[in-house]
Amino acid sequence: QQQVKQSPQSLIVQKGGISIINCAYENTAFDYFPWYQQFPGKGPALLIAIRPDVSEKKEGRFTISFNKSAKQFSLHIMDSQPGDSATYFCAASIEETSGSRLTFGEGTQLTVNP
Amino acid sequence: DAGVTQSPTHLIKTRGQHVTLRCSPISGHKSVSWYQQVLGQGPQFIFQYYEKEERGRGNFPDRFSARQFPNYSSELNVNALLLGDSALYLCASSAPLSPGRSGELFFGEGSRLTVL
Repeated sequence: QQQVKQSPQSLIVQKGGISIINCAYENTAFDYFPWYQQFPGKGPALLIAIRPDVSEKKEGRFTISFNKSAKQFSLHIMDSQPGDSATYFCAASIEETSGSRLTFGEGTQLTVNP
Repeated sequence: DAGVTQSPTHLIKTRGQHVTLRCSPISGHKSVSWYQQVLGQGPQFIFQYYEKEERGRGNFPDRFSARQFPNYSSELNVNALLLGDSALYLCASSAPLSPGRSGELFFGEGSRLTVL
């Protein structure tokens, strides 16, 4: 019940295109859904996050869509750029005062061709 | 301000040895978590410490242990190393959750452990 499943495993997009990554979760107690971006040799960095009281959150070129009834959420990267080439992880957790314990998806390796 | 710092950045050990990894959280953060990231996979939760107490433990064997010090820095110890322990070990810190403040985890760049 703690799994988060992510797809696709890899994604190739042309510069200017839209990148879409999907995740599904099982535990209905999860109440915090972040997306992390990781470059080779670096630790994951928070990109954008959403809570289940809203269905969409947009920050610049990045948008999270959230479907509570389907237990799914997705990341949309608009106008994808070569600098966006990285591995993206969705995650989910139950937020607590002491901090979140994240359950990560398997990751999506995004390549944006110039 | 400095981010989460981890040491060492890279290390090579042989099977059966012991390793200690260290982490300094962002100033003011009292929660430290440890994650294991095997190549090509997402990070897996190992431990969480808050105010020097263990608050959570993932599905890892007793060979893995950790502690948090009064200055909120932390150590991860792994005994009797196995080949499968080869991974990137990530430390993350977070500020306490409060109204208007998320429980965002800030990750360090990790310690790359290779077990031969």
